[in-house]
Amino acid sequence: QVQLVESGGGIVQPGRSLRLSCAASGFIFSNYAMHWVRQAPGKGLEWVAVIWYDGSNEYYADSVKGRVTISRDSSTNTLFLEMNSLRGEDTAVYYCARARGYSGYDAFDNWGQGTLVTVSS
Amino acid sequence: ELVLTQSPGTLSLSPGERATLSCWVSQSVSRNYLAWYQQKPGQAPRLLIYDASTRATGIPERFSGSVSGTDFTLTINRLEPEDFAVYYCQQYGSSPVTFGPGTKVDIK
Repeated sequence: QVQLVESGGGIVQPGRSLRLSCAASGFIFSNYAMHWVRQAPGKGLEWVAVIWYDGSNEYYADSVKGRVTISRDSSTNTLFLEMNSLRGEDTAVYYCARARGYSGYDAFDNWGQGTLVTVSS
Repeated sequence: ELVLTQSPGTLSLSPGERATLSCWVSQSVSRNYLAWYQQKPGQAPRLLIYDASTRATGIPERFSGSVSGTDFTLTINRLEPEDFAVYYCQQYGSSPVTFGPGTKVDIK
């Protein structure tokens, strides 16, 4: 069965960096676009970034553009989110999610359990 | 950026009743690329409906989606106890992907 397991969250000081990982299993990772979505405590869902199945396209939310990089490694079936210059408003549970197909223009049919990032001094 | 507005914010119903959730989008959604997700406390969202009206794998038939122009509707017939949750709509037809603020369905 499809499994997505995030890791790398924790408490980090404002201005510092963090790298999140999402280990994928149970499907052919290189056939699917992948997304990161976040949810601040008690708030709704906010899309963060997407990477196409082959890494050919990446798109970012304006709120993180220039500070965040999404990448993928098909040799290890892992999705990454490199976050720099972290701010208090980046505090959230970060979910990785699989698109239904190869492009980012599709619904998200599988989600990880999330990893909590807390930005605080 | 497409803005999604969901109503009502909270829907208080009893098990066995029908729930009707609305999602209005600020502009036309390309190919009706709109999905509905269910989220329970402490859990990740779960895909219910995609492409406005197609049930995702394993989703019970009591969940259905429909569209009229830029007005999208999620209907839950005969609410079961496990259906009380927060529901989000999402458009994925144009970048950036955007979500609605959610509708909470709670027990009356």
